[in-house]
Amino acid sequence: DNQMTQSPSSLSASVGDRVTITCRASQGVGDDVGWFQQKPGKAPKRLIYGSSNLQSGVPSRFSGSVSGTEFTLTISSLQPEDFATYYCLQHNTLPNSFGQGTKLEIK
Amino acid sequence: EVQLVQSGGGLVQPGGSLRLSCAASGFTFSGYWMHWVRQAPGKGLEWVANITPDGSEKHYVDSVKGRFVVSRDNAKNSLYLQMNSLRVEDTAIYFCARLKDPDKDYWGQGTLVTVSS
Repeated sequence: DNQMTQSPSSLSASVGDRVTITCRASQGVGDDVGWFQQKPGKAPKRLIYGSSNLQSGVPSRFSGSVSGTEFTLTISSLQPEDFATYYCLQHNTLPNSFGQGTKLEIK
Repeated sequence: EVQLVQSGGGLVQPGGSLRLSCAASGFTFSGYWMHWVRQAPGKGLEWVANITPDGSEKHYVDSVKGRFVVSRDNAKNSLYLQMNSLRVEDTAIYFCARLKDPDKDYWGQGTLVTVSS
């Protein structure tokens, strides 16, 4: 199965900081990776699809990129509402698979 | 307005069975792959299963193969997850979801399944 290894598992940052979260696929997944944000008690919400495409309505401070099998989510300037847990999801190979998650906390 | 409304779930003993339902509205249900995703208490998201628009293909994570069955009734705009031989480690909130790129993603409200004696 295709494993998505996500790092870091947790991250402490301040409002205004730039942060990056990475997922590395164990096998090729093309561009078929999405990034999701989840807040406590809520369903996830997709921010990025196709590795680098911003979902409609999502602030432009969120961006995604890919280099080979390494996928990156960048938040350019953290806002208070961005403190949440983030997950990558690959849907290129079956079974689909999420990364382990990154909990973004306020420093 | 797209809506996914879940029902089912609850407390079941190890080895028992449970059926989850997900009622879809606001879109052409028969045109979309549908997914089940779960989240154990305090843990991350785990993709569980999906099903093709016509129900002809179904795929599962290894840990539920042979125990869970995903199905759909396009006439009723409904998705199902039949869970058999339940284990303590299946305890989780289960979400149904529509995840087709590039459309917005849609999720059910989640339903808690607790497997305990």
